[in-house]
Amino acid sequence: DTAVSQTPKYLVTQMGNDKSIKCEQNLGHDTMYWYKQDSKKFLKIMFSYNNKELIINETVPNRFSPKSPDKAHLNLHINSLELGDSAVYFCASSRKQGTGNTIYFGEGSWLTVV
Amino acid sequence: SQQGEEDPQALSIQEGENATMNCSYKTSINNLQWYRQNSGRGLVHLILIRSNEREKHSGRLRVTLDTSKKSSSLLITASRAADTASYFCATGRDDKIIFGKGTRLHILP
Repeated sequence: DTAVSQTPKYLVTQMGNDKSIKCEQNLGHDTMYWYKQDSKKFLKIMFSYNNKELIINETVPNRFSPKSPDKAHLNLHINSLELGDSAVYFCASSRKQGTGNTIYFGEGSWLTVV
Repeated sequence: SQQGEEDPQALSIQEGENATMNCSYKTSINNLQWYRQNSGRGLVHLILIRSNEREKHSGRLRVTLDTSKKSSSLLITASRAADTASYFCATGRDDKIIFGKGTRLHILP
């Protein structure tokens, strides 16, 4: 009965590869997010979707392409992986768009690019 | 651009003591939230305080907000080992929620 679930939890891959991280929420929320947390724990928003529509795209390289097939899913595809992409990627959701809403996070996907 | 910055970056206290963390931000906000992140886990929401509120309580947590100083504090009273975690403030403005770098809190037995 996990609220926000993302897979895989751990991913080790070589530079230049393409990989995807999947995310699903069963909370009935309208808004979903992808955050990146670097080695210094700085958590930065990458994308925000509201009812399958892209709302926020925070200057992320176009190698990163989110895809929302429905409002319960927001997947992240990364092309041509680089060493600097190594980080923890968190999927999250909130009931509605807007800053007054609680954000529910997944457990994170640890990506290591070698 | 980063909005909130927590202070201190790291804090170690004895179990049973109170822990205070601060968050400063640069521009006007609609509200401010505090989250906790246990090692290797996702963030968990603790409390939200709106810009027209000055103080809010939830169990052992007390949050204050001073919009004139653009700062907030999170007080955890009677700390426990289970409070060991990173604590993040998140400021809300223009439909964006932006997180700070967090304070790493370590409760010593």
